[in-house]
Amino acid sequence: KAGVTQTPRYLIKTRGQQVTLSCSPISGHRSVSWYQQTPGQGLQFLFEYFSETQRNKGNFPGRFSGRQFSNSRSEMNVSTLELGDSALYLCASSAGQGAHETQYFGPGTRLLVL
Amino acid sequence: AQTVTQSQPEMSVQEAETVTLSCTYDTSESDYYLFWYKQPPSRQMILVIRQEAYKQQNATENRFSVNFQKAAKSFSLKISDSQLGDAAMYFCAYRLNFGNEKLTFGTGTRLTIIP
Repeated sequence: KAGVTQTPRYLIKTRGQQVTLSCSPISGHRSVSWYQQTPGQGLQFLFEYFSETQRNKGNFPGRFSGRQFSNSRSEMNVSTLELGDSALYLCASSAGQGAHETQYFGPGTRLLVL
Repeated sequence: AQTVTQSQPEMSVQEAETVTLSCTYDTSESDYYLFWYKQPPSRQMILVIRQEAYKQQNATENRFSVNFQKAAKSFSLKISDSQLGDAAMYFCAYRLNFGNEKLTFGTGTRLTIIP
């Protein structure tokens, strides 16, 4: 099976712009979670989508939003970018149907905000 | 809220030796999962090992094993016969055991392997 894929891998934006990141889960997986990784805050949970519905949400401002499509692919959008949004954004997928399951991570999208 | 603490920002070990990475967590729940993830320089997060809180037996995966002390809320990772490819950031993570995919991570331990 192909692993979790994320596009693009690298992105440079300027303050005030918006950005959309994409995540394609492992085939058959219906849950996609997003994490932000920064040197200062570490790994923080953004949100999780399961069957096109947001099932869980972390403590991020409303500028961070996401969605999931019927094929389980997910997108994350950040509007009005700030310098502090520079980070590695990781997505993870799982079947999402039981606590015994494991999340598998993609390679991440590195976002730099200038 | 659940918290995960890794008190060793950096560790080093000689190749072929054994090293133990520490992790403690705080939770009021009784049913949860614990994980160790590895993040090499490529930044890809790779699952190393996981432990179900209801299981008393410590998980093992080849050279990797854990020491799970539920009452002490401690979850350490032992790497035996360390190899150069083990060099990475290691993250301890916690997850509740029902309808919730959210992982709470520790701050990580950078492991260096000395040839």
